[in-house]
Amino acid sequence: SQQGEEDPQALSIQEGENATMNCSYKTSINNLQWYRQNSGRGLVHLILIRSNEREKHSGRLRVTLDTSKKSSSLLITASRAADTASYFCATDAGQTGNQFYFGTGTSLTVIP
Amino acid sequence: GAGVSQTPSNKVTEKGKYVELRCDPISGHTALYWYRQSLGQGPEFLIYFQGTGAADDSGLPNDRFFAVRPEGSVSTLKIQRTERGDSAVYLCASSLILAGPGELFFGEGSRLTVL
Repeated sequence: SQQGEEDPQALSIQEGENATMNCSYKTSINNLQWYRQNSGRGLVHLILIRSNEREKHSGRLRVTLDTSKKSSSLLITASRAADTASYFCATDAGQTGNQFYFGTGTSLTVIP
Repeated sequence: GAGVSQTPSNKVTEKGKYVELRCDPISGHTALYWYRQSLGQGPEFLIYFQGTGAADDSGLPNDRFFAVRPEGSVSTLKIQRTERGDSAVYLCASSLILAGPGELFFGEGSRLTVL
């Protein structure tokens, strides 16, 4: 079963705007990761945030984590058409092991 | 190779046939994962190997699915008596477990179509 759920399921914005995606999960975690998937391709790791971190930046990406609410957000600033893809959050299994569970994904379309 | 390699990239088979999907992880990665992804869905966890042993196979949907990793490197996902509902993209990922779970490196997937 999948642990995470992303919101919204689909998002369409104009190039240059910011895109925010949210992820909620169910059980305690060691870390949360965000991945990107272009249509028909494998997933590519974007960023990892540990359970003792609240915010992390990588280039145009900003990730927040609120363990009390069991939620995370991914912000992409100054979006580009090339950012069009599906974005997934993945959580580990906490104390029970190193496996990862993915959410249902947010499909982002950036209109040039 | 530099990345995770999966073969075949596409497999079309008939209902009831046996299928093997292969994953060649990044050299030195001790952890290997299999996921299944249906259209419009997120990857669904199937099985996770740490070395040669299956550390967690709780995601395998039924006993028609089996995976091995005999030498702690290449893994094969085996599906017996395939059904149309098995049609999906099967993704493999590998990872280097250091002080806990880390980044997953994915292959491009094997697209299975069961007619």
